[in-house]
Amino acid sequence: QVTLRESGPALVKSTQTLTLTCTLSGFSLTTSGMCVNWIRQPPGRALEWLARIEWDDAKNYTASLKTRLTISKDTSKNQVVLTMTNMDPVDTGTYYCARQTGIGAVGDAFDVWGQGTMVSVSS
Amino acid sequence: DIQMTQSPSSLSASVGDSVTITCRASQNIRRYLNWYHQKPGKAPELLIYAASRLQSGVPSRFSGSGSGTDFTLTITSLQPEDFATYYCQQSYRTPYSFGQGTKLEIK
Repeated sequence: QVTLRESGPALVKSTQTLTLTCTLSGFSLTTSGMCVNWIRQPPGRALEWLARIEWDDAKNYTASLKTRLTISKDTSKNQVVLTMTNMDPVDTGTYYCARQTGIGAVGDAFDVWGQGTMVSVSS
Repeated sequence: DIQMTQSPSSLSASVGDSVTITCRASQNIRRYLNWYHQKPGKAPELLIYAASRLQSGVPSRFSGSGSGTDFTLTITSLQPEDFATYYCQQSYRTPYSFGQGTKLEIK
């Protein structure tokens, strides 16, 4: 069974760095075409794509947050890590990781999501 | 960057009704359009990928159409579990982008 599980602090303070971990199960980021994405959702608002890492370690970021984001992977632990520096209360929300397989037409979609982790930023 | 615009932002319907949600991309995204629904407190779930292909396990009352810049999601014979928020998303190129969401409520 394919699952992703996000973990990290529920509360951070302004200016601190947030580190979130996505633990993968049932698939591996060493598989050709496989990608993991991070998406966030402020309370009551829409989804916002943040970053993607590919099986070959290629990385993409949303332009507005590019200077604050770093995505990396540890294939030995089957984990993907997202760090976001200089946190602000507007960064409060639920953070999700999601899989893209890169296989066939469905490979371009986020076919499996983690349950999400809520992060609150205090001023 | 590609902007995605959904309409309407909210919609009221009854069980058994059919509804249509539209999504417009700011540039040609061919058929790289996906639809998700999200229930309160839950993660989004993939319904439709590549504009019209039904994700495994999704009921056939869901269907998608369109290409280029204009897309639609249609749900026929609404069931109680369909009342949720729906998002379109382009996977044509990064940065990926979502529509602002359509909240489907029970009338």
